[in-house]
Amino acid sequence: DAKTTQPNSMESNEEEPVHLPCNHSTISGTDYIHWYRQLPSQGPEYVIHGLTSNVNNRMASLAIAEDRKSSTLILHRATLRDAAVYYCILSLGVGGTSYGKLTFGQGTILTVHP
Amino acid sequence: SAVISQKPSRDICQRGTSLTIQCQVDSQVTMMFWYRQQPGQSLTLIATANQGSEATYESGFVIDKFPISRPNLTFSTLTVSNMSPEDSSIYLCSGLRQGGGYTFGSGTRLTVV
Repeated sequence: DAKTTQPNSMESNEEEPVHLPCNHSTISGTDYIHWYRQLPSQGPEYVIHGLTSNVNNRMASLAIAEDRKSSTLILHRATLRDAAVYYCILSLGVGGTSYGKLTFGQGTILTVHP
Repeated sequence: SAVISQKPSRDICQRGTSLTIQCQVDSQVTMMFWYRQQPGQSLTLIATANQGSEATYESGFVIDKFPISRPNLTFSTLTVSNMSPEDSSIYLCSGLRQGGGYTFGSGTRLTVV
């Protein structure tokens, strides 16, 4: 399975933008890029996912490099409730033998300061 | 978006016993999965729950230890058999929605004494 590399931790101040990077240099053409976050004592929560084009939703934006070997999750204005572990994960598209499976790495611990 | 109800939310069990965890999705999902999360660690995939057939297990996990059922599209169970303290962990189920995103249960915190 293609792997992702994320910084172990990042810090931000409240109401400032946060850019969480993810490297996935071995990504294949059918791999989707997913971002999930996990707050303490909760299951992972969907943030955003994409394939090739940049994606926006009410939670965040996903910027995907043109060669797809890296991506950045953008939280436009961090709040204290955004403090969590953020996971960047690749999943194979239809046809892959690992279709549908998410393989979690260690993620990035985001700390938000008031 | 689909909501997953998982129960029990926590349990304390004696070693050598078994615990069955239930996972109910409020709408259809195309695939269901079971994960384990040990304290301070990331999630590890145990198996893919297949409707009406045997689950597909990841390396290091076997059916005798973690039997899984999925009788229909919205319900699955995971049993942790013959438990030992090393099985103390959080167990989570997940569903792949038709729109492509995954939804997770809140987890079952298992302590084996």
